[in-house]
Amino acid sequence: DAKTTQPPSMDCAEGRAANLPCNHSTISGNEYVYWYRQIHSQGPQYIIHGLKNNETNEMASLIITEDRKSSTLILPHATLRDTAVYYCIVRGVNAGGTSYGKLTFGQGTILTVHP
Amino acid sequence: DVKVTQSSRYLVKRTGEKVFLECVQDMDHENMFWYRQDPGLGLRLIYFSYDVKMKEKGDIPEGYSVSREKKERFSLILESASTNQTSMYLCASSLRGAQNEQFFGPGTRLTVL
Repeated sequence: DAKTTQPPSMDCAEGRAANLPCNHSTISGNEYVYWYRQIHSQGPQYIIHGLKNNETNEMASLIITEDRKSSTLILPHATLRDTAVYYCIVRGVNAGGTSYGKLTFGQGTILTVHP
Repeated sequence: DVKVTQSSRYLVKRTGEKVFLECVQDMDHENMFWYRQDPGLGLRLIYFSYDVKMKEKGDIPEGYSVSREKKERFSLILESASTNQTSMYLCASSLRGAQNEQFFGPGTRLTVL
């Protein structure tokens, strides 16, 4: 799976948009970009994923650059409950030599939302 | 709402004890996973299962075994707990196919004394 690079930490004011960047310059054609987050002492939570096109769901939007070498997760109106570690993951459909798709989390970005 | 539950949030065991960690999902998912998470090491896959009675080793299976007798239940067994198995253990499940998102349980923080 391609390696990802994220800033170690970011701050955001409550009610503002939080834009979390991720670089994945070695991504290959069949690899998806996934975002998960982990609130302190809880299990990771899936947010969104995409291949080429921008994606939006009830939690967030995912913007993938045309060359697919980077992406941005957007939380449109951050709340205090969005304070968490955000993980950007790139993995292929047949990750790890199997079709079962293990996840590998790096260090992620600690997002702190301030009142 | 999708749900993955784990039998304990916190567990303290002694070196040499046999430890059972249970995970149950109610989403009829084919795939189930056991990970451990340690500071500075991220998330590491221990074992996964893609069907009842089927299992595959992950990256760090040594010292662990698993059991999947029913589709909804995946158990992680530490045959003889050691202090280096002190960690956060996370169970996850997904539909068949690597592109499907994984849903995680709340985690079990195991301390081995």
